[in-house]
Amino acid sequence: AQSVTQLGSHVSVSEGALVLLRCNYSSSVPPYLFWYVQYPNQGLQLLLKYTSAATLVKGINGFEAEFKKSETSFHLTKPSAHMSDAAEYFCAVSGASAGNMLTFGGGTRLMVKP
Amino acid sequence: ETGVTQTPRHLVMGMTNKKSLKCEQHLGHNAMYWYKQSAKKPLELMFVYNFKEQTENNSVPSRFSPECPNSSHLFLHLHTLQPEDSALYLCASSQRLRRSDEQYFGPGTRLTVT
Repeated sequence: AQSVTQLGSHVSVSEGALVLLRCNYSSSVPPYLFWYVQYPNQGLQLLLKYTSAATLVKGINGFEAEFKKSETSFHLTKPSAHMSDAAEYFCAVSGASAGNMLTFGGGTRLMVKP
Repeated sequence: ETGVTQTPRHLVMGMTNKKSLKCEQHLGHNAMYWYKQSAKKPLELMFVYNFKEQTENNSVPSRFSPECPNSSHLFLHLHTLQPEDSALYLCASSQRLRRSDEQYFGPGTRLTVT
């Protein structure tokens, strides 16, 4: 079975500071991993995905994530936070069985202080 | 219209009502999904359809009845719901059911059961 743990349900950073959102996963097969962002009153938007190619994945809006197999981690980072980055972020792993069933973490709400 | 659309965006219904949620994707995808997003709980996959055929029912109560008449449309029929069914219901689609395929989400329907 798959599972995803996002450490920290709330993260607060100052504008211009580094953003680090943590994601650890467990998977019985080589994982496919995703980060999604959800702005208020909207659905989820894909930020980036890892599908066994490069371990450092670059996404939209200046975000990137690094896959570390030894640590079973896929942390999301951005060098400099903007006010517009305030949202909820979800890490997800794709299921092991045939089919495309995602298991999501509990989400991390990012707050950006001016 | 582009992407994945959902109607209505907000719905208030009594426990004895019958209502339906509608999802339409304009991406030419073949797989569609229903998710439930409750406060303080991770996103829960409810149903998966591939080429109009249901491939996954994640132990969802029978008061939720999905319908997929074609690859572009997905409905969720609701009847005799409970207050704990109040949540944001998200529809998503993907090109196919491959583990590497990202899912594209609609904005959701905010359901309140009174």
